[in-house]
Amino acid sequence: KAGVTQTPRYLIKTRGQQVTLSCSPISGHRSVSWYQQTPGQGLQFLFEYFSETQRNKGNFPGRFSGRQFSNSRSEMNVSTLELGDSALYLCASSLGSSGEQFFGPGTRLTVL
Amino acid sequence: QQPVQSPQAVILREGEDAVINCSSSKALYSVHWYRQKHGEAPVFLMILLKGGEQKGHEKISASFNEKKQQSSLYLTASQLSYSGTYFCGTERVNSGYALNFGKGTSLLVTP
Repeated sequence: KAGVTQTPRYLIKTRGQQVTLSCSPISGHRSVSWYQQTPGQGLQFLFEYFSETQRNKGNFPGRFSGRQFSNSRSEMNVSTLELGDSALYLCASSLGSSGEQFFGPGTRLTVL
Repeated sequence: QQPVQSPQAVILREGEDAVINCSSSKALYSVHWYRQKHGEAPVFLMILLKGGEQKGHEKISASFNEKKQQSSLYLTASQLSYSGTYFCGTERVNSGYALNFGKGTSLLVTP
């Protein structure tokens, strides 16, 4: 069974640009969550999608947005990039609520 | 609301025990524990649902005190492979499905 995949694995952008990250969950998983990981803050919850609906959102500015498609694949978008957005972005999929989450390898975003 | 983990870091010799604590100021529905090795994705260890039950397998177990909104992860007779960063993730009651992780506890097991 294939694991969670994320593309691209690495990205370098400059301030002001926007970026789209993609996540393909494990087959059959309908829930996808996104996290931002930085050395100082650990894993911070961005948002969670289930069956194309955003069920919850973390405390991030509106520049961070996401969506989920009918095949459960998810994308997150960050507009007007800032230096502080440099981080590892992880997505995780699960069957549903309160279940074990399976993490992807992450996308390393560097903003110059 | 990010849960608070303690200690931030711990160094053990192989065979020693360790306890990692996780506390929240909000009523919790569940607590998740994950371990992340350097350069890898976090890997699930266990989930504890409200009810105060203790779970575990082999030498890693955990408890959840619903009244105190605290969970503890117990690592006994540590092995070199236990090294990594441990994160607790908490799901609050009536908050929808949102897993808030602590900042992590770095564990290093030495020979």
